[in-house]
Amino acid sequence: QSALTQPPSASGSPGQSVTISCTGTSSDVGGYNYVSWYQQHPGKAPKLMIYEVSKRPSGVPDRFSGSKSGNTASLTVSGLQAEDEADYYCISYGDSNNLVFGGGTNLTVL
Amino acid sequence: QVQLQESGPGLVKPSQTLSLTCTVSGGSISSGSYYWSWIRQPAGKGLQWIGRIYTSGSTNYNPSLKSRVTISVDTSKNQFSLKLSSVTAADTAVYYCARGRQLILWFGEILGEFDYWGQGTLVTVSS
Repeated sequence: QSALTQPPSASGSPGQSVTISCTGTSSDVGGYNYVSWYQQHPGKAPKLMIYEVSKRPSGVPDRFSGSKSGNTASLTVSGLQAEDEADYYCISYGDSNNLVFGGGTNLTVL
Repeated sequence: QVQLQESGPGLVKPSQTLSLTCTVSGGSISSGSYYWSWIRQPAGKGLQWIGRIYTSGSTNYNPSLKSRVTISVDTSKNQFSLKLSSVTAADTAVYYCARGRQLILWFGEILGEFDYWGQGTLVTVSS
């Protein structure tokens, strides 16, 4: 399966909102509500931010939210803060019991 | 609190086999509905799923790596391992182990999200 498509970069000023997209196909994002999002700071392991499209694990600020429409999932970060600057990856369950990864988006807080 | 820790050689020669082990602490690798995965990340690039294993021994691999990958589990040691054969410089990456949530639905199983990750270990393929 092909990788999920994410924009290479995104940016916003402190306090603003930014949305990162993750586009797949009907065999992954569009076919299942099992998309998760991860935040990765330089030199660190990824951290789970959103699972099952829109659910937040305990401890993740409610500034982070997820949604899905058709074959595209989205991560929205509201009230941007300096510590939100990181790489973000989406992962979706896909047909044939596979996982499909997005290429990652580098979020810059201006 | 579950913790995962990767271990293994940081340098592997081309054509040889890369071997890594992930030790799970803070809970039994056999408890709960989870799968155990290896994921890698070349420098400056994105994440790539390598494969997963259940404690039953059932495996599933990324089709692009399937011919070279073996993932195994040792429940007595609370560990699972990765072997990647015939390595080249393209296999140089940070390798992560992670725990994934397994969901059983009416139509089958789903590989859910990764809730715990190891810190990662850099493996360099070079002579």
